[in-house]
Amino acid sequence: DSGVTQTPKHLITATGQRVTLRCSPRSGDLSVYWYQQSLDQGLQFLIQYYNGEERAKGNILERFSAQQFPDLHSELNLSSLELGDSALYFCASSVSPGTSGGYEQYFGPGTRLTVT
Amino acid sequence: AQSVAQPEDQVNVAEGNPLTVKCTYSVSGNPYLFWYVQYPNRGLQFLLKYITGDNLVKGSYGFEAEFNKSQTSFHLKKPSALVSDSALYFCAVRDTGTGANNLFFGTGTRLTVIP
Repeated sequence: DSGVTQTPKHLITATGQRVTLRCSPRSGDLSVYWYQQSLDQGLQFLIQYYNGEERAKGNILERFSAQQFPDLHSELNLSSLELGDSALYFCASSVSPGTSGGYEQYFGPGTRLTVT
Repeated sequence: AQSVAQPEDQVNVAEGNPLTVKCTYSVSGNPYLFWYVQYPNRGLQFLLKYITGDNLVKGSYGFEAEFNKSQTSFHLKKPSALVSDSALYFCAVRDTGTGANNLFFGTGTRLTVIP
């Protein structure tokens, strides 16, 4: 168990809908990362937050957004869903980069999103 | 831009034999390299990392990895494979962009250990 929790585990929804995925980082970790894993595109970085502020963006669609709250949990919002958004969405957390051991990330179990 | 390549989609090895899962990298600057393992319906588990120091890095579950700067490789190894090692293995490199700490992952190598 990595200490990173994600809810829900599974989500089935229809095209055009909006969903919210939730992540709680490991205790003490300030950075949260979101990744998408799909068969055709592999594991792709979406977005990073550090202590409530956006730090880096990857291949995140404009239909997707995220935020990190004062208690450090994070939510990934996916809107106007398309069939191609079906994937496994992972959250990861880490301590502050540069801190001893601060570069590896610890992953949650993921949320499997199915868009029908 | 940073990237990693895993040239083998599938690696099969007999139980008890040594295993190697290959990874090559391309980075500007010093590489920060990682190996993760993914079991079915599970998240990624951190195995080991190379930041600096000894070229042979030891990690979890008896795995180790050898950093080779001249060959830009970071191969994962284990002296004696177990059936329970069967899983999907990912090599990753840290983004060195300003303020970023995200990882770029390879395409993964599926390891099957045959009893």
